Amino acid sequence: EPEVTQTPSHQVTQMGQEVILRCVPISNHLYFYWYRQILGQKVEFLVSFYNNEISEKSEIFDDQFSVERPDGSNFTLKIRSTKLEDSAMYFCASFGRTEDEQYFGPGTRLTVT
Amino acid sequence: RKEVEQDPGPFNVPEGATVAFNCTYSNSASQSFFWYRQDCRKEPKLLMSVYSSGNEDGRFTAQLNRASQYISLLIRDSKLSDSATYLCVVSSGTYKYIFGTGTRLKVLA
Repeated sequence: EPEVTQTPSHQVTQMGQEVILRCVPISNHLYFYWYRQILGQKVEFLVSFYNNEISEKSEIFDDQFSVERPDGSNFTLKIRSTKLEDSAMYFCASFGRTEDEQYFGPGTRLTVT
Repeated sequence: RKEVEQDPGPFNVPEGATVAFNCTYSNSASQSFFWYRQDCRKEPKLLMSVYSSGNEDGRFTAQLNRASQYISLLIRDSKLSDSATYLCVVSSGTYKYIFGTGTRLKVLA
């Protein structure tokens, strides 16, 4: 079964540092997403990406965040200057329109100290 | 009003019991509806899509009431392995997902 993969599984970084979270969506999917889940809270939408550009972003997705699809397979989320409150699980998801649902990757746990 | 609202639980039920979860959503333009299951510190996994006609998958039955903006999930003959958090998810034309807070279920031996 095709799957979304994410690396690293856990990233520890110091406040103010830049981090890049990586995702490999399912190969024939066209829509890509990032969500985050702070411990004990609900999953929140960050950004959607289609046709090499952002199609929608939430209030959380401020100037510190950016996304990129640098090649045909990877989809990245960059946080330029991390804050303590960025500590969360970050899930990548992809969607193919021929199916009903989005497929989620296993997540990257980001810890900002 | 929250976009997607669920009772957080926890629901503690004995094995074999029937349990029902409810969810309400605020955006009447919502088009797609899902129940996802999330185990502790793992990614959400699709349990089932929810259709207007209602749908069943083994021990799981989902219902959608568009007029009341209400979605339900019924689990029959619950198993220990059903213990998880059940996430109500709503999507509109932009395909982004809006999640509820989730309902925790613990099935007791």
